[in-house]
Amino acid sequence: GQQLNQSPQSMFIQEGEDVSMNCTSSSIFNTWLWYKQDPGEGPVLLIALYKAGELTSNGRLTAQFGITRKDSFLNISASIPSDVGIYFCAGPPLGANNLFFGTGTRLTVIP
Amino acid sequence: EAGVTQFPSHSVIEKGQTVTLRCDPISGHDNLYWYRRVMGKEIKFLLHFVKESKQDESGMPNNRFLAERTGGTYSTLKVQPAELEDSGVYFCASSPGTPKNIQYFGAGTRLSVL
Repeated sequence: GQQLNQSPQSMFIQEGEDVSMNCTSSSIFNTWLWYKQDPGEGPVLLIALYKAGELTSNGRLTAQFGITRKDSFLNISASIPSDVGIYFCAGPPLGANNLFFGTGTRLTVIP
Repeated sequence: EAGVTQFPSHSVIEKGQTVTLRCDPISGHDNLYWYRRVMGKEIKFLLHFVKESKQDESGMPNNRFLAERTGGTYSTLKVQPAELEDSGVYFCASSPGTPKNIQYFGAGTRLSVL
């Protein structure tokens, strides 16, 4: 079945450091989404990517849609304590509306 | 504008009991999805409604799960009888549809089956 492999599984970083995480798929996606989940909350959309090669920023966050359409990465610059949470990549398989999710990257920021 | 709301936020039941989860989508969103995250694994799709019709229920694990969306507004997901492996967080999401179909998630219902 469809799999989204997300890495790293967890990260412990110092406040102010930059963070990079990525997601790879066994098949092509036409859309890549990055969500963040805070404790006790549902996933919140951070960035949406719709074209291969697209590079999009949202404040300190930057995400790119890989040229092969099988991967994406998310960078967070100058991390702050409120960046703590679980980050998920997601995308709809071709021809479908539901989302496949990656396994998540748990980010801990040490003040 | 209110977001996607789910009720209850947490439910603890015994194996064999019945539980009904409710989701109220964002007003005007025709698309409603149910997802589940079990044991720290990835969030997995359960089913998709377009208005009151089931568009895709390929992710429903078995016939103990029944989802409804009468009138195309709120949706319920009933688990009967609940088993231990049903424990997890159940998320609901809604979207307005094309062209970009951005899905907005509720806070989830944490189900614990003992």
